Amino acid sequence: DTGVSQNPRHKITKRGQNVTFRCDPISEHNRLYWYRQTLGQGPEFLTYFQNEAQLEKSRLLSDRFSAERPKGSFSTLEIQRTEQGDSAMYLCASSFGQNYGYTFGSGTRLTVV
Amino acid sequence: GQNIDQPTEMTATEGAIVQINCTYQTSGFNGLFWYQQHAGEAPTFLSYNVLDGLEEKGRFSSFLSRSKGYSYLLLKELQMKDSASYLCAVPDTGGFKTIFGAGTRLFVKA
Repeated sequence: DTGVSQNPRHKITKRGQNVTFRCDPISEHNRLYWYRQTLGQGPEFLTYFQNEAQLEKSRLLSDRFSAERPKGSFSTLEIQRTEQGDSAMYLCASSFGQNYGYTFGSGTRLTVV
Repeated sequence: GQNIDQPTEMTATEGAIVQINCTYQTSGFNGLFWYQQHAGEAPTFLSYNVLDGLEEKGRFSSFLSRSKGYSYLLLKELQMKDSASYLCAVPDTGGFKTIFGAGTRLFVKA
């Protein structure tokens, strides 16, 4: 297993465009998380999947954000009508359970211009 | 709710020992994590404490006091490659996520 894979690594988009990111977790992990991180801050929770079920979403996640995890395998995070404030590193992580550490992917750095 | 406090920055000298503190306020408690994050990279898991006391893992040790809501990460024999951010994190007892502090940026100088 090569760990958690995210792509693209970098994305530059114009304000108002839609973007989609992909995450492939460690295959044995049934828990998948999306976080967002800006400079000088810790990762901020966005959403959580257990297998294919989305069990928790942050109240900070506006209706422009949607995530899926079809068949409990890879996951996608889509941002519609991007805004400059969406510029951040988007991190995906997977784990065996809440009391196990996360394995993070390398992240997707989004820049909205 | 939950709140995590840790110093913003610290500087230490190569070969020395440094202690990075973390205080937390939680409505329940389900353990505490430390992660290391080099600039431009993803966080990597360092340690997990659920019981009081010190747990040692090579040059890194992590301490927990549940009654004081306090933890620290101890780094010995500092190396230049230890320059990174160190994130303190606690599982959310009301949900499924882990809540991260803002991190402590450690600068190791020669």
